[in-house]
Order: sequence, then structure tokens, then C-alpha cells
Amino acid sequence: QVQLVQSGAEVKKPGASVKVSCKASGYTFTSYGISWVRQAPGQGLEWMGWISAYNGNTNYAQKLQGRVTMTTDTSTSTAYMELRSLRSDDTAVYYCARDLGDLRGFDPWGQGTLVTVSS
Amino acid sequence: DIVMTQTPLSSPVTLGQPASISCRSSQSLVHSDGNTYLSWLQQRPGQPPRLLIYKISNRFSGVPDRFSGSGAGTDFTLKISRVEAEDVGVYYCMQATQFPRTFGGGTKVEIK
Repeated sequence: QVQLVQSGAEVKKPGASVKVSCKASGYTFTSYGISWVRQAPGQGLEWMGWISAYNGNTNYAQKLQGRVTMTTDTSTSTAYMELRSLRSDDTAVYYCARDLGDLRGFDPWGQGTLVTVSS
Repeated sequence: DIVMTQTPLSSPVTLGQPASISCRSSQSLVHSDGNTYLSWLQQRPGQPPRLLIYKISNRFSGVPDRFSGSGAGTDFTLKISRVEAEDVGVYYCMQATQFPRTFGGGTKVEIK
């Protein structure tokens, strides 16, 4: 079945970087994009950006420009999201989700990766 | 950016009764290709979100037919015809007509 499996929880200090992975299986990886969405504790969903697994094109949320980089490794069907210069308000669960192209919906979603930023 | 506004914030519902959630966008979601990219997601407690509806009214694979979506332009509605216990959670609308994708603030559906 189609699934996305993310890397485990991380604890980082302010100013550090984190790189979350998202391994896809059950479909042709390069046929869909991957979006990254985060959810702060008790809060709603915030779209972070999108990457095409076909050609690596990206589109990032303006507020994260310069701090976020999304990449893919087609040899392992894995997407990555790196966030730098971490602040306490970056503490959140980070999700990857398959972007369904023409349908423009997100499914499935990864299980989520909790990133805690604390001194 | 397109702002998505959901109402109500919370919806206490009796089992077997209907529920309705409204979502309004700050500008039309009609794309230049003629499609309207408004979707609805469900997030059960402790779970990642799940796609229910795409392009206003199309149920995604495996979604029960008690869920339905409607609307046009800037005003959209998700309806649950008869709420079941497994429907408890937070529901989000999302626009994918333009970048950045944006979500509504969420509506919590709970049982009375």
C-alpha cells in the first residue's frame, strides 16, 4: 500500500539545524510531489513548501525562505526537509504528504516527526 | 496569500445527527484551468490528517458517503449526514489553487 514513513523525533538547541526524512513506498516516487506541513502543539496546520520528485522544483512558504531546503533522493524514494537556525517557535510535528498532482489534495501523510527546540 | 476562515470553531453533535462546517476564502478559488482546488481533511486525535474531499465535492478513495462537500467561488461546506463516533476530530479546509497552500483554522467535531 502507499505509505510515507518519517524519521524519528528530534531535540535541538536554538540555532541548530534539523533534517527530517520521508521514505515513500507503494507508488512511483517520481510521479508525485511531496508537500511538508507542520503543526505546533495544539495548533492548526501550516504549509511549509512543496518539491517535485520528478525534477526537484520547489516552492517554499515566504516566512521560511532562506531557512528551509527540501530535497529528494530518487534512488531511495526519500524526501528530506532541512530547517536551519531553529527557534523555539519551530517546535512542532512535521509531516510530509504526497501531493496528488491534478487532484491537488494531499494523501497519504507520513506519521509525523516531533521536533522540539529547547535550550 | 489566500486566507481561509472556518466556522464554527467547535461543533458538538449528537450521534446520528448531521453536522455542517463552513469554509470561506479571501478570494475566489477558481483556477485559470477552470477547476476549484478546495479540499477537506480530517484529523482524528493523535493521528496525521487524512484527505476526505478534493476539488470541492469529490470523495477520496475509501471515504464514507456520509461525507459530502459543496460550494463555489469563495464559500464551501462540508457536511456529515449522520455523525458516528469515529468522526470525532478536527476538520480542515485547504486551498491548492495557488501557492502558498493555506489551511483553515480547523473545526473540532465532538459528541454531545
